[in-house]
Amino acid sequence: GQQLNQSPQSMFIQEGEDVSMNCTSSSIFNTWLWYKQDPGEGPVLLIALYKAGELTSNGRLTAQFGITRKDSFLNISASIPSDVGIYFCAGQLSGANSKLTFGKGITLSVRP
Amino acid sequence: DAGITQSPRYKITETGRQVTLMCHQTWSHSYMFWYRQDLGHGLRLIYYSAAADITDKGEVPDGYVVSRSKTENFPLTLESATRSQTSVYFCASTPTGGGQPQHFGDGTRLSIL
Repeated sequence: GQQLNQSPQSMFIQEGEDVSMNCTSSSIFNTWLWYKQDPGEGPVLLIALYKAGELTSNGRLTAQFGITRKDSFLNISASIPSDVGIYFCAGQLSGANSKLTFGKGITLSVRP
Repeated sequence: DAGITQSPRYKITETGRQVTLMCHQTWSHSYMFWYRQDLGHGLRLIYYSAAADITDKGEVPDGYVVSRSKTENFPLTLESATRSQTSVYFCASTPTGGGQPQHFGDGTRLSIL
Protein backbone atom coordinates (compact mmCIF):
# COMPACT_ATOMS: atom_id res chain seq x y z
CA GLY A 1 0.00 0.00 0.00
CA GLN A 2 0.94 3.63 -0.14
CA GLN A 3 3.26 4.96 2.49
CA LEU A 4 4.47 8.36 3.43
CA ASN A 5 7.99 8.61 4.76
CA GLN A 6 8.88 11.06 7.47
CA SER A 7 12.28 11.03 9.06
CA PRO A 8 13.93 11.32 11.43
CA GLN A 9 11.46 10.11 14.06
CA SER A 10 12.60 12.86 16.48
CA MET A 11 14.22 16.26 16.12
CA PHE A 12 15.80 18.41 18.80
CA ILE A 13 16.39 22.09 18.16
CA GLN A 14 17.25 25.23 20.09
CA GLU A 15 14.64 27.92 20.62
CA GLY A 16 14.93 30.51 17.86
CA GLU A 17 16.25 28.07 15.25
CA ASP A 18 14.50 27.23 12.00
CA VAL A 19 13.59 23.62 11.29
CA SER A 20 12.57 21.85 8.09
CA MET A 21 10.67 18.58 7.77
CA ASN A 22 10.26 16.45 4.70
CA CYS A 23 7.60 14.03 3.62
CA THR A 24 8.08 11.73 0.65
CA SER A 25 5.95 9.18 -1.12
CA SER A 26 6.31 6.58 -3.82
CA SER A 27 2.88 7.62 -5.11
CA ILE A 28 1.43 10.84 -6.41
CA PHE A 29 -1.04 12.75 -4.25
CA ASN A 30 -3.42 15.56 -5.19
CA THR A 31 -3.54 17.13 -1.75
CA TRP A 32 -0.89 17.41 0.94
CA LEU A 33 -1.73 18.26 4.52
CA TRP A 34 0.36 19.04 7.56
CA TYR A 35 -1.01 18.42 11.05
CA LYS A 36 0.38 19.05 14.52
CA GLN A 37 -0.53 17.01 17.57
CA ASP A 38 -0.04 18.28 21.12
CA PRO A 39 0.12 15.78 23.99
CA GLY A 40 -3.32 14.46 24.93
CA GLU A 41 -5.04 16.09 21.97
CA GLY A 42 -6.03 15.24 18.44
CA PRO A 43 -4.12 16.35 15.34
CA VAL A 44 -4.84 19.91 14.29
CA LEU A 45 -4.54 21.05 10.69
CA LEU A 46 -1.67 23.49 10.08
CA ILE A 47 -1.54 23.88 6.32
CA ALA A 48 -3.33 22.37 3.31
CA LEU A 49 -1.77 22.29 -0.16
CA TYR A 50 -3.79 21.62 -3.30
CA LYS A 51 -1.56 22.32 -6.27
CA ALA A 52 1.87 21.10 -7.35
CA GLY A 53 4.45 23.78 -6.64
CA GLU A 54 2.17 25.63 -4.23
CA LEU A 55 3.91 27.44 -1.38
CA THR A 56 1.69 28.41 1.54
CA SER A 57 2.42 30.18 4.81
CA ASN A 58 0.62 30.24 8.13
CA GLY A 59 2.43 32.57 10.50
CA ARG A 60 5.92 31.14 11.09
CA LEU A 61 5.05 28.00 9.16
CA THR A 62 5.64 27.53 5.45
CA ALA A 63 4.83 24.42 3.46
CA GLN A 64 5.32 23.46 -0.16
CA PHE A 65 3.67 20.92 -2.43
CA GLY A 66 6.45 19.29 -4.44
CA ILE A 67 6.51 19.65 -8.21
CA THR A 68 6.56 15.87 -8.68
CA ARG A 69 3.50 15.61 -6.38
CA LYS A 70 5.39 12.94 -4.44
CA ASP A 71 6.73 15.13 -1.67
CA SER A 72 6.10 18.08 0.58
CA PHE A 73 8.06 19.99 3.16
CA LEU A 74 7.20 22.05 6.21
CA ASN A 75 9.42 24.79 7.55
CA ILE A 76 9.09 26.37 10.99
CA SER A 77 11.00 29.59 11.46
CA ALA A 78 12.22 31.09 14.73
CA SER A 79 11.00 28.16 16.81
CA ILE A 80 9.43 28.71 20.23
CA PRO A 81 8.73 26.27 23.07
CA SER A 82 5.07 25.81 22.09
CA ASP A 83 6.18 24.36 18.74
CA VAL A 84 6.85 21.14 20.64
CA GLY A 85 4.67 18.30 19.40
CA ILE A 86 4.29 15.66 16.73
CA TYR A 87 4.11 16.83 13.13
CA PHE A 88 2.31 14.60 10.65
CA CYS A 89 2.14 14.86 6.91
CA ALA A 90 -0.81 13.37 5.08
CA GLY A 91 -1.55 12.83 1.41
CA GLN A 92 -4.89 12.48 -0.29
CA LEU A 93 -5.90 11.26 -3.70
CA SER A 94 -8.91 12.84 -5.35
CA GLY A 95 -11.81 10.43 -5.61
CA ALA A 96 -10.44 8.41 -2.68
CA ASN A 97 -13.45 8.97 -0.44
CA SER A 98 -11.39 11.58 1.41
CA LYS A 99 -9.14 8.89 2.86
CA LEU A 100 -5.80 10.16 4.02
CA THR A 101 -2.46 8.39 4.05
CA PHE A 102 -0.40 9.55 7.03
CA GLY A 103 3.28 9.61 7.72
CA LYS A 104 4.38 8.25 11.11
CA GLY A 105 5.12 11.72 12.38
CA ILE A 106 8.15 13.62 13.65
CA THR A 107 8.39 14.50 17.33
CA LEU A 108 9.86 17.98 17.70
CA SER A 109 11.56 19.09 20.91
CA VAL A 110 12.60 22.70 21.43
CA ARG A 111 15.24 23.52 24.00
CA PRO A 112 14.81 26.91 25.69
CA ASP B 1 -19.32 25.65 18.30
CA ALA B 2 -18.75 22.13 19.67
CA GLY B 3 -17.15 20.68 16.52
CA ILE B 4 -16.27 17.05 16.96
CA THR B 5 -16.40 15.42 20.37
CA GLN B 6 -15.39 11.97 21.52
CA SER B 7 -16.47 10.13 24.63
CA PRO B 8 -15.28 8.82 26.93
CA ARG B 9 -11.84 10.45 26.99
CA TYR B 10 -10.42 7.55 29.00
CA LYS B 11 -11.62 3.98 29.38
CA ILE B 12 -10.24 0.91 31.11
CA THR B 13 -11.87 -2.44 30.49
CA GLU B 14 -11.09 -6.13 30.51
CA THR B 15 -10.44 -8.56 27.70
CA GLY B 16 -13.58 -10.07 26.27
CA ARG B 17 -15.80 -7.13 27.19
CA GLN B 18 -17.72 -5.10 24.67
CA VAL B 19 -16.92 -1.42 24.60
CA THR B 20 -18.31 1.40 22.46
CA LEU B 21 -16.52 4.64 21.72
CA MET B 22 -18.70 7.56 20.74
CA CYS B 23 -18.07 10.29 18.18
CA HIS B 24 -20.38 13.23 17.57
CA GLN B 25 -19.94 16.14 15.15
CA THR B 26 -22.01 19.29 14.86
CA TRP B 27 -20.88 20.37 11.37
CA SER B 28 -23.15 17.99 9.38
CA HIS B 29 -20.06 16.66 7.64
CA SER B 30 -20.77 13.75 5.31
CA TYR B 31 -17.57 11.82 5.94
CA MET B 32 -16.45 10.42 9.27
CA PHE B 33 -13.44 8.29 10.14
CA TRP B 34 -12.03 6.21 12.97
CA TYR B 35 -8.28 5.89 13.49
CA ARG B 36 -6.10 4.23 16.05
CA GLN B 37 -2.74 5.67 17.03
CA ASP B 38 0.04 3.44 18.29
CA LEU B 39 3.74 4.08 18.81
CA GLY B 40 5.68 3.27 15.70
CA HIS B 41 2.58 3.06 13.51
CA GLY B 42 1.24 6.58 13.38
CA LEU B 43 -2.46 6.91 12.54
CA ARG B 44 -4.13 3.90 10.98
CA LEU B 45 -7.63 3.96 9.53
CA ILE B 46 -10.08 1.48 11.05
CA TYR B 47 -13.38 2.34 9.35
CA TYR B 48 -14.90 5.26 7.55
CA SER B 49 -18.31 6.41 6.46
CA ALA B 50 -19.28 8.52 3.47
CA ALA B 51 -22.83 9.21 4.70
CA ALA B 52 -25.51 7.84 7.00
CA ASP B 53 -25.90 4.07 6.51
CA ILE B 54 -22.75 3.87 4.35
CA THR B 55 -19.61 2.45 5.97
CA ASP B 56 -16.46 0.83 4.68
CA LYS B 57 -13.35 -0.85 6.01
CA GLY B 58 -10.04 0.88 6.38
CA GLU B 59 -6.58 -0.53 6.90
CA VAL B 60 -7.15 -2.32 10.26
CA PRO B 61 -10.88 -3.19 10.62
CA ASP B 62 -10.65 -6.62 12.30
CA GLY B 63 -12.25 -6.75 15.73
CA TYR B 64 -14.23 -3.53 15.23
CA VAL B 65 -17.78 -2.73 14.22
CA VAL B 66 -19.25 0.64 13.23
CA SER B 67 -22.65 2.02 12.46
CA ARG B 68 -23.94 5.35 11.19
CA SER B 69 -27.68 5.68 11.61
CA LYS B 70 -27.44 9.48 11.92
CA THR B 71 -25.09 11.84 10.08
CA GLU B 72 -23.74 13.36 13.28
CA ASN B 73 -22.85 10.14 15.12
CA PHE B 74 -20.34 7.44 14.29
CA PRO B 75 -19.86 4.97 17.15
CA LEU B 76 -17.05 2.40 17.15
CA THR B 77 -17.62 -0.90 18.97
CA LEU B 78 -15.10 -3.46 20.07
CA GLU B 79 -17.28 -6.53 20.37
CA SER B 80 -14.82 -8.59 22.40
CA ALA B 81 -11.89 -6.43 23.44
CA THR B 82 -8.34 -7.80 23.23
CA ARG B 83 -5.12 -6.41 24.71
CA SER B 84 -3.85 -5.60 21.23
CA GLN B 85 -6.68 -3.08 20.94
CA THR B 86 -5.19 -0.95 23.70
CA SER B 87 -4.58 2.30 21.87
CA VAL B 88 -5.62 5.91 21.45
CA TYR B 89 -8.62 6.20 19.15
CA PHE B 90 -9.38 9.29 17.09
CA CYS B 91 -12.50 10.22 15.22
CA ALA B 92 -12.37 12.68 12.33
CA SER B 93 -14.77 14.25 9.87
CA THR B 94 -14.73 16.17 6.60
CA PRO B 95 -17.52 17.77 4.55
CA THR B 96 -17.02 16.07 1.18
CA GLY B 97 -14.90 13.61 -0.76
CA GLY B 98 -13.32 16.42 -2.73
CA GLY B 99 -9.99 16.87 -0.95
CA GLN B 100 -11.18 18.80 2.11
CA PRO B 101 -8.98 18.30 5.20
CA GLN B 102 -10.16 16.08 8.03
CA HIS B 103 -10.81 17.57 11.45
CA PHE B 104 -10.05 15.44 14.49
CA GLY B 105 -11.54 14.95 17.93
CA ASP B 106 -9.36 14.88 21.04
CA GLY B 107 -9.26 11.10 21.21
CA THR B 108 -10.20 8.27 23.56
CA ARG B 109 -7.41 6.54 25.43
CA LEU B 110 -8.48 2.90 25.79
CA SER B 111 -6.68 0.40 27.99
CA ILE B 112 -7.62 -3.27 27.93
CA LEU B 113 -6.39 -5.35 30.83
